[in-house]
Amino acid sequence: QKEVEQNSGPLSVPEGAIASLNCTYSDRGSQSFFWYRQYSGKSPELIMSIYSNGDKEDGRFTAQLNKASQYVSLLIRDSQPSDSATYLCAVNKGFSGGYNKLIFGAGTRLAVHP
Amino acid sequence: KAGVTQTPRYLIKTRGQQVTLSCSPISGHRSVSWYQQTPGQGLQFLFEYFSETQRNKGNFPGRFSGRQFSNSRSEMNVSTLELGDSALYLCASSPPGENTEAFFGQGTRLTVV
Repeated sequence: QKEVEQNSGPLSVPEGAIASLNCTYSDRGSQSFFWYRQYSGKSPELIMSIYSNGDKEDGRFTAQLNKASQYVSLLIRDSQPSDSATYLCAVNKGFSGGYNKLIFGAGTRLAVHP
Repeated sequence: KAGVTQTPRYLIKTRGQQVTLSCSPISGHRSVSWYQQTPGQGLQFLFEYFSETQRNKGNFPGRFSGRQFSNSRSEMNVSTLELGDSALYLCASSPPGENTEAFFGQGTRLTVV
């Protein structure tokens, strides 16, 4: 079992729809969770971070975390063609003391069509 | 505020050579991590440095090494290059605090021929 799992996609949604991206993780001790967007040929760009159970909203993006189910999701409302990219879920396996070690899922490719 | 800067952006090396990549973190960030990204393996953690000390290391052979300087700038070195080392190498810096976000540089695209 991979430590962080995502559907590879592609996830195809029409412009203006809600895109729902999902991620599960295996280590119950994981403490922080991130979503990155990566355009082809570019480096990952942080779009959301979430640390506690529940929802966190930032503009058109909402991250949801359920630690009991070991599940993280990202909702993109009013999807635009410019949202077409690979979305990477990352989990921080850092130890107490502030270590930083991100474990990434394989990424979900999102395609928003006009 | 300037972002994470990596140099060079592109490199072509021959098998058996060694290579050094450089990373300048965001001002005020003392944690620097390195990742390797390949189509087959995705993004994999190499190592993390904080205050010139390696705190974390991923599952890579000893040919991969790094260091951090007193100004938080970091370098990674790969010796005896293999074809399989061809990848995008990403550096990320993190602000002070526990389990904080990581901000990536543009990456160095290494091709080994």
